[in-house]
Amino acid sequence: AQTVTQSQPEMSVQEAETVTLSCTYDTSESDYYLFWYKQPPSRQMILVIRQEAYKQQNATENRFSVNFQKAAKSFSLKISDSQLGDAAMYFCAYRSAQDGNEKLTFGTGTRLTIIP
Amino acid sequence: DAGITQSPRHKVTETGTPVTLRCHQTENHRYMYWYRQDPGHGLRLIHYSYGVKDTDKGEVSDGYSVSRSKTEDFLLTLESATSSQTSVYFCAISESTGTGYSSNQPQHFGDGTRLSIL
Repeated sequence: AQTVTQSQPEMSVQEAETVTLSCTYDTSESDYYLFWYKQPPSRQMILVIRQEAYKQQNATENRFSVNFQKAAKSFSLKISDSQLGDAAMYFCAYRSAQDGNEKLTFGTGTRLTIIP
Repeated sequence: DAGITQSPRHKVTETGTPVTLRCHQTENHRYMYWYRQDPGHGLRLIHYSYGVKDTDKGEVSDGYSVSRSKTEDFLLTLESATSSQTSVYFCAISESTGTGYSSNQPQHFGDGTRLSIL
């Protein structure tokens, strides 16, 4: 079974600075997908960024980028130019690439606080 | 936004009573999921469905049952609620490519149901 570990329960960053949230995972599969979801106080689960394991290039979405290290099974999220609206819980998630195995396995989350 | 509606949004009930949560989608997606979210645990999969009348267990399925009689509706039932089932419940949906590989499209989530069992 796959496991996802987020070792930082809480992080804080000064507004406009850069912060990196860590995520490691354990799997015996070679093809899979990785996701970062954001959960603000409104409780919605919002997709931030996704990465396909077969792609060597790190995914980027505006101020959000990942550092995907497949051999190390590491998938960190970097938020640049942090904004007050980035304050939320962030969850890392894993999904197999096998058809019919669409289940997500989540980490326990990192609560990010933005300091004005 | 993906068309996912969870009802009710909030519910308070007593131990031993039956509870049914409903997830309704307008996307005609094949897969539907029920997760529970608890502090320190993230989201954990309870049950999922890969088609009408086709369901399977997740990692925390004890005490829960599900039904899917129509593509658009996925029901989660607590036959006899216990205080340990106090949680926030999320429904999610996703599509399948049918190619032998799962889609890289993400799961889309409903807004959650906060369930308190006293």
